[in-house]
Amino acid sequence: NFLLTQPHSVSESPGKTVTISCTRSSGSIDSNYVQWYQQRPGSSPRIVISRDDQRPSGVPDRFSGSIDSSSNSASLTISGLKTEDEADYFCQSYDRSNHGGVFGGGTKLTVL
Amino acid sequence: QVQLVESGGGVAQPGKSLRLSCAASGFTFRSYSLHWVRQAPGKGLEWVAVISSDGTDKNYADSVKGRFTISRDKSKNTLYLQMNSLRVDDTAVYYCVRDDNGYCLFDYWGQGTLVTVSS
Repeated sequence: NFLLTQPHSVSESPGKTVTISCTRSSGSIDSNYVQWYQQRPGSSPRIVISRDDQRPSGVPDRFSGSIDSSSNSASLTISGLKTEDEADYFCQSYDRSNHGGVFGGGTKLTVL
Repeated sequence: QVQLVESGGGVAQPGKSLRLSCAASGFTFRSYSLHWVRQAPGKGLEWVAVISSDGTDKNYADSVKGRFTISRDKSKNTLYLQMNSLRVDDTAVYYCVRDDNGYCLFDYWGQGTLVTVSS
């Protein structure tokens, strides 16, 4: 088992760029794909990054993902911030020990 | 289009049971693993259980193992979660989720159904 640790909250102004980190506690970050989900208030989560850095259809190219083996972490970067990007963001990966998912604690993004 | 519609949530007393259902449409049901993921009020996401595409393999989070059972009915394109011996800390919105690649790539989520466990 492993944990994924995210900052509790981040804030930035419209038009700026923000990066949210996700650090894996044990095992290599590149041993399994990392996904990112956006959850707006009152809505279900929606995938915005799959397979570390792939953008599903319909997700704006302002969203990008990456992994960094040196820090054993993944990152979600949102550029050209819009007020509609204000949401909770969760990173997630696969746990081979139980064939289940592991989620980060979530990061609340405020665009002000 | 892919649709996952949960039902069966409600209020239950500690120690009682509930069964959740998830009606799937818009994709080939037998081709995908399916999961339940829950979210306690104001909290983050917690993976609960998975069932393989053919229904033979099932796995659970430690927090629900021995109390919850996941199953699927290919004739009805429906996923189930039987929840027994409910506890107050099982209170959450329960989401039905499709797995795109068999390794927990959660590409489609239902709208969720709220389970409240309270005396």
